Amino acid sequence: EVQLVESGGALVQPGGSLRLSCAASGFTFSNYWMHWVRQVPGKGLVWVSRINSDGSSTNYADSVKGRFTISRDNAKNTLYLQMNSLRAEDTAVYYCAREDPLRFFAFDIWGQGTMVTVSS
Amino acid sequence: QSVLTQPPSVSGAPGQRVTISCTGSSSNIGAGYDVHWYQQFPGTAPKLLIYGNRNRPSGVPDRFSGSKSGTSASLAITGLQAEDEADYFCQSYDRSLSGSRVFGGGTKLTVL
Repeated sequence: EVQLVESGGALVQPGGSLRLSCAASGFTFSNYWMHWVRQVPGKGLVWVSRINSDGSSTNYADSVKGRFTISRDNAKNTLYLQMNSLRAEDTAVYYCAREDPLRFFAFDIWGQGTMVTVSS
Repeated sequence: QSVLTQPPSVSGAPGQRVTISCTGSSSNIGAGYDVHWYQQFPGTAPKLLIYGNRNRPSGVPDRFSGSKSGTSASLAITGLQAEDEADYFCQSYDRSLSGSRVFGGGTKLTVL
């Protein structure tokens, strides 16, 4: 079964750090670009970051640039999001998603999400 | 606010047809980038509903259809069913925001 499973979400104080993980299974992880998307409960989806298949190229939303770092370990079939200098406005459910070039680069597989709460 | 604009809510009775619009600009939909649609039920992850403007993944009923024209796209749902009640999001790419994928704010569909 093709699957993405996020972990690492937690309650963290403002200014703190957290690393999210996304474990992939059921497909050749190293062939796909991957993304992080976040959602404040009850609100819309917001794209956060993307990484290409071999990890050599990354992009970030302006709201997280310089604070978040996306990376991947293709040997471990795992995507990461290192989040530093966290702010209250980073509070959200974080989803990892696979981008499928055969489906016009749509996000065809999503994880179940992991909740990040930034609060003192 | 979101780069792509969707109505916050739409509603329809069972069996009716509803449409959800997604309005962008010349730097995203109007530039020719594809539009994708996602369906999300409360407490669950989004699910791909329409990709490449008008294509349905296997398992998605043909009651769901997508179209695109100019700087806008639309999702149509015919023969509305109670289980269609969910949030719907459009998504595209914006060339003015490096590497950026963009989403609409989402539309809550209520089946009356």
